[in-house]
Amino acid sequence: QSALTQPASVSGSPGQSITISCTGTNSDVGGYNYVSWYQQHPGKAPKLMIYDVSNRPSGISNRFSGSKSGNTASLTISGLQAEDEADYYCSSYTSSSTVVFGGGTKLTVL
Amino acid sequence: QLQLQESGSGLVKPSQTLSLTCAVSGGSISSGAYSWSWIRQPPGKGLEWIGYIYDSGSTYYNPSLQSRVAISVDRSKNQFSLNLSSVTAADTAVYYCARSHGYYGYDWACWGQGTLVTVSS
Repeated sequence: QSALTQPASVSGSPGQSITISCTGTNSDVGGYNYVSWYQQHPGKAPKLMIYDVSNRPSGISNRFSGSKSGNTASLTISGLQAEDEADYYCSSYTSSSTVVFGGGTKLTVL
Repeated sequence: QLQLQESGSGLVKPSQTLSLTCAVSGGSISSGAYSWSWIRQPPGKGLEWIGYIYDSGSTYYNPSLQSRVAISVDRSKNQFSLNLSSVTAADTAVYYCARSHGYYGYDWACWGQGTLVTVSS
């Protein structure tokens, strides 16, 4: 299975909105509504931000939202804050009953 | 509050078997049809899913690791384990254990702190 495709880096200024894309195939992102997004700060374990494409776990700010169109899922962060600076990873369930991650995107808050 | 804690050898010689255990506290590993997973991250690189197991014992593995990996559950000790055989330097990584957000989930809401395993002679 091939890793999902994410941009290596994105950036934005405080208060702005940014979107991170995650592109897969019909066998993963496009075939199931099981896309998740994780935030990881340096030296820390990843944190689940979005599950099942667009659902937020309890305690996650509504500034974080997820969506999907075809084989591409997206994570949007609105009202960008300094603490949002981190690495972000998408993942998807696959037709082989496995899970595949994206390569990760480094978000820089300018 | 559910907590996960990885333990095991931090240094493994090439060709040997890497063995890690994830102790579950604050909840029972048999409390529902959650999936219990191992995920790793080589230094400076991205996340790689290794595999997951259900309380029933059903397992699913990353195809690229399937010939070398085994995940098992010990309900009596409330823990699950990872064995990765024939390791090479490419298996050097921080290894995380995690539990799914919901039943039969493919999303990992609760994570251990991670443990660094180095493969070196």
